[in-house]
Amino acid sequence: GQNIDQPTEMTATEGAIVQINCTYQTSGFNGLFWYQQHAGEAPTFLSYNVLDGLEEKGRFSSFLSRSKGYSYLLLKELQMKDSASYLCAVRDRTGGFKTIFGAGTRLFVKA
Amino acid sequence: DTAVSQTPKYLVTQMGNDKSIKCEQNLGHDTMYWYKQDSKKFLKIMFSYNNKELIINETVPNRFSPKSPDKAHLNLHINSLELGDSAVYFCASSQDDTGYPGNEQFFGPGTRLTVL
Repeated sequence: GQNIDQPTEMTATEGAIVQINCTYQTSGFNGLFWYQQHAGEAPTFLSYNVLDGLEEKGRFSSFLSRSKGYSYLLLKELQMKDSASYLCAVRDRTGGFKTIFGAGTRLFVKA
Repeated sequence: DTAVSQTPKYLVTQMGNDKSIKCEQNLGHDTMYWYKQDSKKFLKIMFSYNNKELIINETVPNRFSPKSPDKAHLNLHINSLELGDSAVYFCASSQDDTGYPGNEQFFGPGTRLTVL
């Protein structure tokens, strides 16, 4: 089966750096996504990793270690508008490609 | 131009009623999805269609019936609504249903369904 774990909530200060961790177990790993979801809005795509290592995209970076079943999303120079839920999602190719979402980490950015 | 649109945005109805939610995407994608996000914010896949064909059906009660008249549209009909159906329903689309690098999903704005 599949299992995705990420912290429920985190709080960080404007201008700081925050790391949101995600661990997963899946039998047919085919890539890991991070999505951002502001309250009352739709999830929007942030990043994708399929090979080990770091992918950088502006203030956001995402890291993957397939052997450890581990990923993190790094947010630098935090802004108030970064307050949102961050969803870790794993694509599994078992029986057809399916994306499984974690419960999300609610990030609160304070002044 | 909205990429993935859903109607209605809000739906309040009584238990036992039948209701439909419509979804359209103008991205030229082949694959469309329905997700349910409950009060605990878990986003759970319900159905997936690729080029109008059902490819994923995740142990969803028979009261839920998706219909895809063409690859740009995926509607969701719910019969005999129950209190537990109250949630936000998101439609999404992706280029196709393969595992090519990326192939991320684009989500609609969601339909907040409240069953009284």
